[in-house]
Amino acid sequence: GEDVEQSLFLSVREGDSSVINCTYTDSSSTYLYWYKQEPGAGLQLLTYIFSNMDMKQDQRLTVLLNKKDKHLSLRIADTQTGDSAIYFCAERSGSARQLTFGSGTQLTVLP
Amino acid sequence: DAGVIQSPRHEVTEMGQEVTLRCKPISGHNSLFWYRQTMMRGLELLIYFNNNVPIDDSGMPEDRFSAKMPNASFSTLKIQPSEPRDSAVYFCASSPHTGNEQYFGPGTRLTVT
Repeated sequence: GEDVEQSLFLSVREGDSSVINCTYTDSSSTYLYWYKQEPGAGLQLLTYIFSNMDMKQDQRLTVLLNKKDKHLSLRIADTQTGDSAIYFCAERSGSARQLTFGSGTQLTVLP
Repeated sequence: DAGVIQSPRHEVTEMGQEVTLRCKPISGHNSLFWYRQTMMRGLELLIYFNNNVPIDDSGMPEDRFSAKMPNASFSTLKIQPSEPRDSAVYFCASSPHTGNEQYFGPGTRLTVT
């Protein structure tokens, strides 16, 4: 079945860039997503990318997709303390509607 | 836009009791998903509906769990009888027919003692 892997923790200094990485196994993935979850809250959709794209930029967020290596990354420029949260990578396969999530990366922004 | 609405936000119940979680999807969305989040297993899809019809319930843990969607604006997830291992945060999400986004509700934190 599908598998989505993320590292569990990342710490960065305020103002630096954060890069959160994700790998997936399903070659039929059509869309890949990044969600943000703050403590006690639901998942907020940050951005998503279609599998035939290499890059998508949205303000401070840049998503890079290497389809050959099945590697997805989320770069947050000028990371702020408000960016501290858990970031989930998710993929959607073929025509399926449901998402498969990674375990989440806890981003801690240090002052 | 109100977003996906879930109730209650918190539920504490005793083992053996029936629990009903409720979800109102975003108006106009035709797909609805129930997920469960735990520390041990992360986010797991339990079931999803398309146009009020259950499409994939392979994630439902066992017969104690059931889900319904009687109309396009309401869904329930019921656990009967509840057990301590059901303690988790249960999320509902909805998705539009022609869109690729999936929007999550705030979740219901269930504690079964």
